[in-house]
Amino acid sequence: AQSVTQPDIHITVSEGASLELRCNYSYGATPYLFWYVQSPGQGLQLLLKYFSGDTLVQGIKGFEAEFKRSQSSFNLRKPSVHWSDAAEYFCAVGAGTASKLTFGTGTRLQVTL
Amino acid sequence: EAGVVQSPRYKIIEKKQPVAFWCNPISGHNTLYWYLQNLGQGPELLIRYENEEAVDDSQLPKDRFSAERLKGVDSTLKIQPAELGDSAVYLCASSRTGELFFGEGSRLTVL
Repeated sequence: AQSVTQPDIHITVSEGASLELRCNYSYGATPYLFWYVQSPGQGLQLLLKYFSGDTLVQGIKGFEAEFKRSQSSFNLRKPSVHWSDAAEYFCAVGAGTASKLTFGTGTRLQVTL
Repeated sequence: EAGVVQSPRYKIIEKKQPVAFWCNPISGHNTLYWYLQNLGQGPELLIRYENEEAVDDSQLPKDRFSAERLKGVDSTLKIQPAELGDSAVYLCASSRTGELFFGEGSRLTVL
């Protein structure tokens, strides 16, 4: 069975500082990996995805993530955080197209000015 | 391109009452999902449709929950009767190539 672990429940960073959100997955084959962001009262918006190829993927809003098979990780990074980045971030793993996604429990990001 | 549309956005009912949620996926998306999101948690799959066929409903509590996707487009999720523990956000998503697009969700409060 596939699973996702996001070890950090809550992270606080200063505006302009760099950010890294951790994600570890469990899946028997090559996974499809995703990062979604959710603002309060809103649905989930896709930040980026990894299906195959280059292990460093670029997403929207200046985010990037790196797939490391040896570590079963797909950490999300941003070099300089903006106050508007404060939200809940979810990592997810899937088996392929038209399959279900399994989500982690999320990391709540707080940005201080 | 219109996104995934869900209604109602908010619903407050008393326990033991029925409730229904509606979802209109993105045009051309054959795969439709209903997810449950409890407060402070990640979404959990309830049911997945390929066109009109429910291909994964193993996590759907079938004693009180039901879903349908007539004609392979819109979908309805029903709870009857609702229990206090059903208070949550019900998210609908659709997909064509493995990337899920989510609606804004339907927030249910059971009193």
